[in-house]
Order: sequence, then C-alpha cells, then structure tokens
Amino acid sequence: AQSVSQHNHHVILSEAASLELGCNYSYGGTVNLFWYVQYPGQHLQLLLKYFSGDPLVKGIKGFEAEFIKSKFSFNLRKPSVQWSDTAEYFCAVNDYYGGSQGNLIFGKGTKLSVKP
Amino acid sequence: DAGVTQSPTHLIKTRGQHVTLRCSPISGHKSVSWYQQVLGQGPQFIFQYYEKEERGRGNFPDRFSARQFPNYSSELNVNALLLGDSALYLCASSLELGGDTQYFGPGTRLTVL
Repeated sequence: AQSVSQHNHHVILSEAASLELGCNYSYGGTVNLFWYVQYPGQHLQLLLKYFSGDPLVKGIKGFEAEFIKSKFSFNLRKPSVQWSDTAEYFCAVNDYYGGSQGNLIFGKGTKLSVKP
Repeated sequence: DAGVTQSPTHLIKTRGQHVTLRCSPISGHKSVSWYQQVLGQGPQFIFQYYEKEERGRGNFPDRFSARQFPNYSSELNVNALLLGDSALYLCASSLELGGDTQYFGPGTRLTVL
C-alpha cells in the first residue's frame, strides 16, 4: 500500500528562521502532490500543489516545494518563517494515474511552532 | 462563493448509537470525499462519491456508509458507534473525479462516550 512519510513530528523555530519540512512517498508512478496547512482552530487549507511541469512550485504565503522524482520527495520550504506560520502541515499524495479513484493519502503531519 | 460546509460542528454520542454527518460541496463541484482524522494523525480516506455513485472506499468497516444526493451534497452514516470512532470527520469536494484538487470543510468533531 502507498504511504507518505513526514520526517518531523514537531518543529520549533524562531521567527525569521528558514524552514524545510520533509515529505517522502512510496508510489513510483505518476502522482499529484499537495501540501495542506491547518492553522489552530481552522480547517485544512491548500498551501500548494504539483501536478506536472516545473518541479519547483510556489504556493501561498511565501511557501514553495520542490518535487524530486528520483528521491520520491516533495519537501516544503520557506526562507523566513513568521509567528503566524504556526500550524500543522500535511503532505498528501494522489495516485490517480496509478489506478486509484483519486483519494488523498496523507502523512501524519508536522506541527510547526514559531517563537516570536 | 461559499466553501465546503459541514454539519453539525460537534456531536456527542454514546456507544452503539448511530450518527449522520452532512456535507455541502463547493458550488459546481461534483465529487465529494470523506476522511477521518484522529488526534495526532493525518486524515484517512473513507469514501469518494461522484455523480451519486461510490467511486472509492477506504479500509473502514461496513458500519460506515455514505451517499450523495442529486444536488451533490453528501451524508456519512456510522452505525453501532465505538469509542474508536471518536475523530474529526472531514468532507472534501473537487470539481471532477480523479487527481483534481480537493478542498476541505471545517469538519465535524464526533465524540463517542
């Protein structure tokens, strides 16, 4: 079965520090990749997505992610975090091209705490 | 435009009872998916519906069922509730089936006592 691994359970950073959250998936075929964010008390929101093309994708609020096919990775980055980035971040994979009907497979999430 | 809406927001039930959760997709979206999120975990896929037909099912027991209505809204039903069913139930909608982007609602927090 497919799986998505997020390497860090909880990351604590000071404001202005750089962020990189790791995400690896197990499926070797064509996939669509997503990062979702869940701010405290709010619902899951789409941060960015990769379907095809340029492997470096930019999302909202200054986030970006790089798809590296050879490493089955889709790491999330931000050069300088703010206190308002405190949230839980989920990586998700959709292997529709592999035969599923398009359901998302999520990692366990990474909780980011940014100290002011 | 309104996003995905879900009702109720919170629900408390006792073991053995039945529960119905409701979801209205974004206007124009034809596909609805249901996910279960337990504390400390990522959402887990339960069902996907498209044009009123079940198009995908996750690894959940038969106590879980769902349906989609002609207006594309959806219901998730859970029978014979167990303590382990306590979770946040998320509904997501997408324009079409397949690899399309899914947009999530706020969820229904179910507590089973």
